[in-house]
Amino acid sequence: SQQGEEDPQALSIQEGENATMNCSYKTSINNLQWYRQNSGRGLVHLILIRSNEREKHSGRLRVTLDTSKKSSSLLITASRAADTASYFCATDAGADKLIFGTGTRLQVFP
Amino acid sequence: GAGVSQSPSNKVTEKGKDVELRCDPISGHTALYWYRQSLGQGLEFLIYFQGNSAPDKSGLPSDRFSAERTGGSVSTLTIQRTQQEDSAVYLCASSLEGPFLVAGGLTEQFFGPGTRLTVL
Repeated sequence: SQQGEEDPQALSIQEGENATMNCSYKTSINNLQWYRQNSGRGLVHLILIRSNEREKHSGRLRVTLDTSKKSSSLLITASRAADTASYFCATDAGADKLIFGTGTRLQVFP
Repeated sequence: GAGVSQSPSNKVTEKGKDVELRCDPISGHTALYWYRQSLGQGLEFLIYFQGNSAPDKSGLPSDRFSAERTGGSVSTLTIQRTQQEDSAVYLCASSLEGPFLVAGGLTEQFFGPGTRLTVL
């Protein structure tokens, strides 16, 4: 079963705008990771946030984590057409494998 | 060095045939994971290896699916008597350390480009 659920399922914005996508999960976690997938192929790791962290930055990416609400958000600032991709959150839930969410499809128009 | 590689990139087969999918992880990575992704869906965990051992096979959909890893490196995922519902992209990932070896949870996984399997 899916541990994470992303919201929205799809998002369309113009270049330069910010994109926010959310992830909710069900059980306690050690960390939460965000990945990007282009064209239905391999995933690329973006950022990892540990359960004792509340916010993390990496370039134009900002991730927040609220363990009390079992939710995380990924903010991409000043989006570019190249950011067009699907974005997935993944949690380890204290187990031995990552459980991926259903993904948010982001379309950035030039 | 090179990233994770998978072969073939595309495989079209007839229902009932067996297929083998190959994954070459990043050199030195002890953990290797197989996932399946159906069209427009998230990733479904299949199996992982720590070294050559597969402690968790719970994700394999049926006994038609099997996987092995030799020399702590290359892994093959075999699907016997393929069915149309097996059509998906099969993704392999590796990580430097496996589960339970690193405090703070699972580390970053590096993914290969995937094998797109089509069963006619």
